[in-house]
Amino acid sequence: ETGVTQSPTHLIKTRGQQVTLRCSSQSGHNTVSWYQQALGQGPQFIFQYYREEENGRGNFPPRFSGLQFPNYSSELNVNALELDDSALYLCASSPPGTSPRVVYTFGSGTRLTVV
Amino acid sequence: AQKVTQAQTEISVVEKEDVTLDCVYETRDTTYYLFWYKQPPSGELVFLIRRNSFDEQNEISGRYSWNFQKFTSSFNFTITASQVVDSAVYFCALVMNRDDKIIFGKGTRLHILP
Repeated sequence: ETGVTQSPTHLIKTRGQQVTLRCSSQSGHNTVSWYQQALGQGPQFIFQYYREEENGRGNFPPRFSGLQFPNYSSELNVNALELDDSALYLCASSPPGTSPRVVYTFGSGTRLTVV
Repeated sequence: AQKVTQAQTEISVVEKEDVTLDCVYETRDTTYYLFWYKQPPSGELVFLIRRNSFDEQNEISGRYSWNFQKFTSSFNFTITASQVVDSAVYFCALVMNRDDKIIFGKGTRLHILP
């Protein structure tokens, strides 16, 4: 059973650029959530995708967007990068079942640095 | 509003000592779930335990134990006979029954000194 894999592991971008982060869900999981973890802080919920549609969103601006594909993998896109977007971005997948899913498997994250 | 508070930012103990990590949560919901996660330097969040709001029974798993007290809204985590491999950041978290958003505390960085 493979876990959640994220790519790339590290990334450096310039302010104003756009970035795409990728996540492959654990086998059998159909729900994906994204979290932003700034240095020294706890992860903050960005949004969740279920059946290829956004299914809940945290307090993040529209320049944070996402996609979920038929194989349940997911992308997080961030436009017009700002210095404060520098963080560890974590992806979590959950299996089918009742809501809340209460089973979350996290990837190791993508460390994004905006300069 | 829902909130998780981990008042201890950083703790250092010598190996084999016991250590307790504190967690206090806020919610007006009656049904919710509480979690503890471990985050080693590699970055992934490792699931340790999940409890629902109706199950106040304390739990022990090896060297780990959890004390859930609903009347004080606390869900504390104790490591007995700590080991260097326990060094990590530990997060307490809350999920409401009505959505899937995990609300994390700011974490406690635990250093186990050899």
